[in-house]
Amino acid sequence: KQEVTQIPAALSVPEGENLVLNCSFTDSAIYNLQWFRQDPGKGLTSLLLIQSSQREQTSGRLNASLDKSSGRSTLYIAASQPGDSATYLCAVRPMDSSYKLIFGSGTRLLVRP
Amino acid sequence: NAGVMQNPRHLVRRRGQEARLRCSPMKGHSHVYWYRQLPEEGLKFMVYLQKENIIDESGMPKERFSAEFPKEGPSILRIQQVVRGDSAAYFCASSLLTGEETQYFGPGTRLLVL
Repeated sequence: KQEVTQIPAALSVPEGENLVLNCSFTDSAIYNLQWFRQDPGKGLTSLLLIQSSQREQTSGRLNASLDKSSGRSTLYIAASQPGDSATYLCAVRPMDSSYKLIFGSGTRLLVRP
Repeated sequence: NAGVMQNPRHLVRRRGQEARLRCSPMKGHSHVYWYRQLPEEGLKFMVYLQKENIIDESGMPKERFSAEFPKEGPSILRIQQVVRGDSAAYFCASSLLTGEETQYFGPGTRLLVL
């Protein structure tokens, strides 16, 4: 059974710091991995999607890497800003039920001015 | 093109009442998914529907919960005789043609059971 874990559960950093959020999954048979942002009381915004054949994806100050064999992904945020404060969710799409996203519990990020 | 729409955004029910949550997928999308997010947790898959068909309801509790996606109109997630443990955010997502395509999420309905 696929399980997705995110560490740390919460993170508080001063503005300007570079930071790394971690995601691990137990079954490497995945189609892709996706990082989402969730603001309090709001829906999900897709940030980056990495196909299983890819190693990384970049969008602006965000870079996500994928090591499928070890079951790990990281989301790197450069030069963090207070507006980055949100919960970041990692989700994998397993090969045996490709319509079903399996989510981690998220990392709550606070960037202090 | 409007995104996935869900209503109501907030719903308060007393124990024993019924809750009906609606989801209108993006225009042209024929696949709908429902997920539940309990406090301080990630989203958990509940059910996958195509027009007039339930494809996979393995994540939905066997009792009190039902879902439909009729030929016309929104998808409905129905919870009968709600209990406090049903309090959660319920998210709907939709995709265009197949289950493997990108899912687009709605803003969610936050259900509070008193």
